Amino acid sequence: GQQLNQSPQSMFIQEGEDVSMNCTSSSIFNTWLWYKQDPGEGPVLLIALYKAGELTSNGRLTAQFGITRKDSFLNISASIPSDVGIYFCAGQPNKLVFGAGTILRVKS
Amino acid sequence: GAGVSQSPSNKVTEKGKDVELRCDPISGHTALYWYRQSLGQGLEFLIYFQGNSAPDKSGLPSDRFSAERTGGSVSTLTIQRTQQEDSAVYLCASWRAQDHVEQFFGPGTRLTVL
Repeated sequence: GQQLNQSPQSMFIQEGEDVSMNCTSSSIFNTWLWYKQDPGEGPVLLIALYKAGELTSNGRLTAQFGITRKDSFLNISASIPSDVGIYFCAGQPNKLVFGAGTILRVKS
Repeated sequence: GAGVSQSPSNKVTEKGKDVELRCDPISGHTALYWYRQSLGQGLEFLIYFQGNSAPDKSGLPSDRFSAERTGGSVSTLTIQRTQQEDSAVYLCASWRAQDHVEQFFGPGTRLTVL
């Protein structure tokens, strides 16, 4: 089955720093999605990517769909304390599968 | 409703009992997913309904798990003869993908099997 490798597992950064995380898959995906999950809640969709090479921004967040269609990255610029949470990548060749998540902690 | 709702929000049951978890998706969303999430872990795919197609059940961990979606709307996930390892948060997501993806997760049902 499809496997998604998400890295890093966790990050502890200073407020104001930029953050980068990425996902790679064992197969080609048609869609890449990035989510954020706060404690006790379901994941919330941040950015959706639909074609290879696509670069999309949502405020301070930027994500790219890799050219090979087997990877994607998410950047958060100028992090703030409310960015803390778990970030998941997800990809869809057919059904939607998730990476294991990146835990982001921000020092103020 | 405005979003995806799930019920109950919490369920504590004894090992060996059956449980039913309900998901009310967003009206007009054609696809519905069930995932489960153990503490501190990622989302484990369980089952996927898309329109009138046969559901993708490839993620169901055993034959104790089953799900149905009635009338293309409400879905019920049933776990028979619950085991302690079934304890997790069960998340439902409804999905529509036309020119762009529109997807929302419900708040989840926290299942604890004693």
